[in-house]
Amino acid sequence: DAMVIQNPRYQVTQFGKPVTLSCSQTLNHNVMYWYQQKSSQAPKLLFHYYDKDFNNEADTPDNFQSRRPNTSFCFLDIRSPGLGDAAMYLCATSSGTTSVQYFGPGTRLTVT
Amino acid sequence: DQQVKQNSPSLSVQEGRISILNCDYTNSMFDYFLWYKKYPAEGPTFLISISSIKDKNEDGRFTVFLNKSAKHLSLHIVPSQPGDSAVYFCAASSFQGAQKLVFGQGTRLTINP
Repeated sequence: DAMVIQNPRYQVTQFGKPVTLSCSQTLNHNVMYWYQQKSSQAPKLLFHYYDKDFNNEADTPDNFQSRRPNTSFCFLDIRSPGLGDAAMYLCATSSGTTSVQYFGPGTRLTVT
Repeated sequence: DQQVKQNSPSLSVQEGRISILNCDYTNSMFDYFLWYKKYPAEGPTFLISISSIKDKNEDGRFTVFLNKSAKHLSLHIVPSQPGDSAVYFCAASSFQGAQKLVFGQGTRLTINP
C-alpha cells in the first residue's frame, strides 16, 4: 500500500544532542510537510517542501532544519533539542493539486 | 491568534446516536475545509471535506455542514459506532489545492456502548 512512513516511532535524545527524524513516502507526492504537535494542541506546521522548494514558517525556530534529498525522503534535524521540543512530530504529503494531506504515524520525541 | 477553533475538547455519545462535532473559524479567506480523524499512536487520516460553494457534503455516515455567514462548520456522524472513538480535527485552507492547512486543536469523541 502506498503510504507515509516515519522512523523511528519513538526517539529519546538528551538535552542539546542533535537528532534526526526521517520520513519517506511511496505516494510520489510533490509536497512534504513537517508538523509539531504537543498534547491537546493543534498540529503546528514547521515547514514544507514543494519539490525542492523549501518553505519555512516565520515562527519556526532556527533550531529546526529540514532536508529533502529526493522526492521520497524528507528529514527533520533538531540541532540542539531543548525540553520544550518534546512533542509528536508528524510528516505529511500532498499531491500539490489538492489540499488533502496524508500523514505518517508520527515520531514521539522525548528530551531528557 | 487561533484561526480555527474547536471549543469542545471532548464529547461523549451513546452508541447509535448522533455525534456532532463543531468548528469555528475567524479568517474569511478560508475557502475549503477538511475533517481528520486520529487514533492513538497513528497519524491523522482524512475523513471528509467541503468547499465553500457548498453547504453540505455527505459520505456514508459522515456529513459536514458549512455555515459561511457564521464561519462555522460541523461534522455529523450517524449512527455513532464504537470505532468512531478518536480525536477529530477540523482544518481550513484558503482554496482547494492550497498547500497549507490550519488545524483546530481537536475534539476527543468517545462512543459509549
